[in-house]
Amino acid sequence: DADVTQTPRNRITKTGKRIMLECSQTKGHDRMYWYRQDPGLGLRLIYYSFDVKDINKGEISDGYSVSRQAQAKFSLSLESAIPNQTALYFCATSAGQFSTDTQYFGPGTRLTVL
Amino acid sequence: TQLLEQSPQFLSIQEGENLTVYCNSSSVFSSLQWYRQEPGEGPVLLVTVVTGGEVKKLKRLTFQFGDARKDSSLHITAAQPGDTGLYLCAGLYYGNNRLAFGKGNQVVVIP
Repeated sequence: DADVTQTPRNRITKTGKRIMLECSQTKGHDRMYWYRQDPGLGLRLIYYSFDVKDINKGEISDGYSVSRQAQAKFSLSLESAIPNQTALYFCATSAGQFSTDTQYFGPGTRLTVL
Repeated sequence: TQLLEQSPQFLSIQEGENLTVYCNSSSVFSSLQWYRQEPGEGPVLLVTVVTGGEVKKLKRLTFQFGDARKDSSLHITAAQPGDTGLYLCAGLYYGNNRLAFGKGNQVVVIP
């Protein structure tokens, strides 16, 4: 089974709808991240969490919110989706003990906002 | 502002040829990572370089971290179709545990 899972894998929604993307991990890592990937723009950090009680904004947090329900779960919400939030979304985890820690990515969620 | 510039953005070569892609920045990093991403999947870490001037080899892949810790290169010897993918570099800034990613080098190896 995959260590980092994301649900759903694909989602099509309409402008103004609320949507939640979920991420679960079985690696026992404290640190979790949400990124979005757009063609020509690369991976950009939306939010990150270093433990259950720690939530931090990334470089593009406007229009998004997150919830760290448990060490293993980190969800990303779009309160009112807009078309420019159409992108590939990735969740990642890391152990966080050293600055050279590997980030382990989930398979991604492809979100389309019409 | 893109802090990490990767070049070329796209590269197509024949199987058996060699290639080099680059990751450049005006910023200094405490470490730099290279990931490979295949279609429909998340990025997977290939290597982390930490020391200026460091060279690491992973089979046919050779990674180098610049002496000034601002740039890195990835060289693939005798490329194979399995090397096809998007290669992403990611830098870790001093005092910051967040990675900054470049846009990637899309490599296509034609059989």
